[in-house]
Amino acid sequence: DVQMTQSPYNLAASPGESVSINCKASKSINKYLAWYQQKPGKANKLLIYDGSTLQSGIPSRFSGSGSGTDFTLTIRSLEPEDFGLYYCQQHNEYPPTFGGGTKLELK
Amino acid sequence: QVTLKESGPGILQPSQTLSLTCTFSGFSLSTYGMGVGWIRQPSGKGLEWLANIWWDDDKYYNPSLKNRLTISKDTSNNQEFLKITNVDTADTATYYCARIARSGWFVYWGQGTLVTVSS
Repeated sequence: DVQMTQSPYNLAASPGESVSINCKASKSINKYLAWYQQKPGKANKLLIYDGSTLQSGIPSRFSGSGSGTDFTLTIRSLEPEDFGLYYCQQHNEYPPTFGGGTKLELK
Repeated sequence: QVTLKESGPGILQPSQTLSLTCTFSGFSLSTYGMGVGWIRQPSGKGLEWLANIWWDDDKYYNPSLKNRLTISKDTSNNQEFLKITNVDTADTATYYCARIARSGWFVYWGQGTLVTVSS
């Protein structure tokens, strides 16, 4: 199985700041990475797929980059609703696997 | 509008069989390219994919649990099912169903159902 390692584990920031979350695969997954946002009481939300393609309806302040083994989710000009948990997932091969998560907290 | 909703027993005892149902709307599992999967998350921990089923009844299972999992669908009632046999406390988790894109990302998720395995 492809192991996905996210960093940092925790991230504290203020509204208006920009942050980056990293995801590293144990082997090349080409461009096939998705990012999700998880918030209590809400369905998980797909943000990005294929490494950098923004899901319909997701604000453009979210962006994804990377290929091979190293990927980054960047959120520019944080809004209050952006605080929560973020997960990456490789969709290059079965079984699909997820990173351990990054908690984005209000500073 | 796509919605998915999971349902399950809430609590069950070790060695029992867990039966989960995903009821969805806004798409049909008989439509070419459609798929639905299950993912679980123990409290405070990460996400683990369990199984997928596709419009053509093709099925994929997590190898680490494969012998215990059975996924199936009822296209006429827009439902999908997952059974996990011989549960133990390690199966305590929130279970999610999600619609899958053909290339493998999870497009829409349900809100999850909490399952507790306890004697």
